Amino acid sequence: GQNIDQPTEMTATEGAIVQINCTYQTSGFNGLFWYQQHAGEAPTFLSYNVLDGLEEKGRFSSFLSRSKGYSYLLLKELQMKDSASYLCAVILTGGGNKLTFGTGTQLKVEL
Amino acid sequence: DAGVTQSPTHLIKTRGQHVTLRCSPISGHKSVSWYQQVLGQGPQFIFQYYEKEERGRGNFPDRFSARQFPNYSSELNVNALLLGDSALYLCASSPGLSADTQYFGPGTRLTVL
Repeated sequence: GQNIDQPTEMTATEGAIVQINCTYQTSGFNGLFWYQQHAGEAPTFLSYNVLDGLEEKGRFSSFLSRSKGYSYLLLKELQMKDSASYLCAVILTGGGNKLTFGTGTQLKVEL
Repeated sequence: DAGVTQSPTHLIKTRGQHVTLRCSPISGHKSVSWYQQVLGQGPQFIFQYYEKEERGRGNFPDRFSARQFPNYSSELNVNALLLGDSALYLCASSPGLSADTQYFGPGTRLTVL
């Protein structure tokens, strides 16, 4: 089966940096997405990694290591509005663009 | 440009009833996927449709069905509702079936009493 693991909850301070990890064990891998979801709202796209390495987009960066089955999302200069659930999702080989999600990491940003 | 739209936003049903949820994809997107998200969990894949054909089905009972129309909008139908069907139902659209980014609608919150 497919297994995607993320920490359930994290707390960080406004202005700080936080790293949210995601590990996966899947039969076939074709890419990894990170989505942000505020309570009661739809997931919004943050990043997509298919090759090893770091993708930077403003305050958010995402890293992928295919050989280790590992990714992280790095959030810099944290703001209160970054309090949300962060969802890691993989696309499997032959699965079109069907997303298999982890349970999500609830991030709380405090003053 | 309009994003993915879904209707209704909220719905309350009783056990045994059926429900139809609707989704309109982003203009130009031909693929629509449906996901179920139970509180505190990540979304779970239900169906994917592309060019009006089913292209993927998740591990859901036959009570769940869907279809896609010529204008690429889609409906998700759930029959014989159970309490456990209470969830946020998300629709996502993408241009095609390759590893394209999926864009989600606001969801329909279904409560089964």
